Amino acid sequence: DIQMTQSPSSLSASVGDRVTITCRASQSISTYLNWYQQKPGKAPKLLIYAASSLQSGVPSRFSGSGSGTDFTLTISSLQPEDFATYYCQQSYNTPPSTFGQGTKLEI
Amino acid sequence: QLQLQESGPGLVKPSETLSLTCTVSGGSISSSSYYWGWIRQPPGKGLEWIGSIYYSGSTYYNPSLKSRVTISADTSKNQFSLKLSSVTATDTAVYYCASSRGFLEGLYYYYAVDVWGQGTTVTVSS
Repeated sequence: DIQMTQSPSSLSASVGDRVTITCRASQSISTYLNWYQQKPGKAPKLLIYAASSLQSGVPSRFSGSGSGTDFTLTISSLQPEDFATYYCQQSYNTPPSTFGQGTKLEI
Repeated sequence: QLQLQESGPGLVKPSETLSLTCTVSGGSISSSSYYWGWIRQPPGKGLEWIGSIYYSGSTYYNPSLKSRVTISADTSKNQFSLKLSSVTATDTAVYYCASSRGFLEGLYYYYAVDVWGQGTTVTVSS
């Protein structure tokens, strides 16, 4: 199985900050990488697919980059509603489709 | 607009079989555009992909759960289901049904979960 490792596991930031979350795959996955946002008690929400393509309706302050084994999710200017847990997911080699362990973004 | 809704018992006894159903509205599970699947999240932990079914009936399971999992579809009811046998306390989780679709970028499709159910909590306890 392909292992996905996110860093950091948690992150403290303030409104207006620029934040970057990293996801590393245990082997090359080209750009088959998705990012999700999950708020407490809610289902995850797709933010980015194919490493850098923004899902419809997602604010442009979210962006993704990377290919191969190293990927980043960047939030250019944090808004209050962005405080949540973020997960990466590889869709290159399935089954299984593996997720990272999550990054909790806190105030 | 595609919507998914999980249903099933919230409490299952150890060694028994967990059974959940996902009802799809706003779209057809016979559509070739989607994979229909299940993802779970133990309390305070991350997401684990359980498996998926395609409109053709092909199924794909997480190898770590494959011996205990069955995913099936009922096109007449526009539903798909999850059965997980021989459950233990480690199977306690929020279970989400989900649909994955392919996003065309250049020459390739990139699959991602774009619609989720609200999730249902299943506790394994005697």
